Amino acid sequence: GENVEQHPSTLSVQEGDSAVIKCTYSDSASNYFPWYKQELGKGPQLIIDIRSNVGEKKDQRIAVTLNKTAKHFSLHITETQPEDSAVYFCAASGSRGSTLGRLYFGRGTQLTVWP
Amino acid sequence: ETGVTQSPTHLIKTRGQQVTLRCSSQSGHNTVSWYQQALGQGPQFIFQYYREEENGRGNFPPRFSGLQFPNYSSELNVNALELDDSALYLCASSSQGSDTQYFGPGTRLTVL
Repeated sequence: GENVEQHPSTLSVQEGDSAVIKCTYSDSASNYFPWYKQELGKGPQLIIDIRSNVGEKKDQRIAVTLNKTAKHFSLHITETQPEDSAVYFCAASGSRGSTLGRLYFGRGTQLTVWP
Repeated sequence: ETGVTQSPTHLIKTRGQQVTLRCSSQSGHNTVSWYQQALGQGPQFIFQYYREEENGRGNFPPRFSGLQFPNYSSELNVNALELDDSALYLCASSSQGSDTQYFGPGTRLTVL
């Protein structure tokens, strides 16, 4: 099955700085890559996603890049704010075979933004 | 539009007992997936339901079972609870043919 690795496990930045979280995946059949934000005591909230036919996607302060050849994708948050503090998860999913319809998650990155 | 809801929010059980967790999918969504999230880990796929049938299963033993109802709501049942079953159980809903999944707030299960 798919194996998703996520780094770093913790990340501390000053308010206004940028934050980058990186993930790699193993299954070349994976073609959908969402990012979730999970605040304490809550379920994961979808913040952005990208599909394999696109190399980059941006939504205001958040962007995601995908390199299918190298099998890695990254989340970029610019102009960070204290309310960005949370655990961020990357995930991968495919459209056929064993990866159909299921999300494989990384272990998460605890982002702390200091005022 | 109503989001994904789960009940109960918290549950405490003892080893060997059975538990049922419930999920109502987001309006318009007919597919429900269940995930187990241990403390400090990412969610792990348990299984998915579509048209009231199991549509894919992760690496979980048969004592984890589920149901989906005609209104697309779903239940997760766990028999013979073990200490390692203590986790946050998440339900996610999606539309058939869409890979985008939206999660509920989860049920925190503690097994003593």
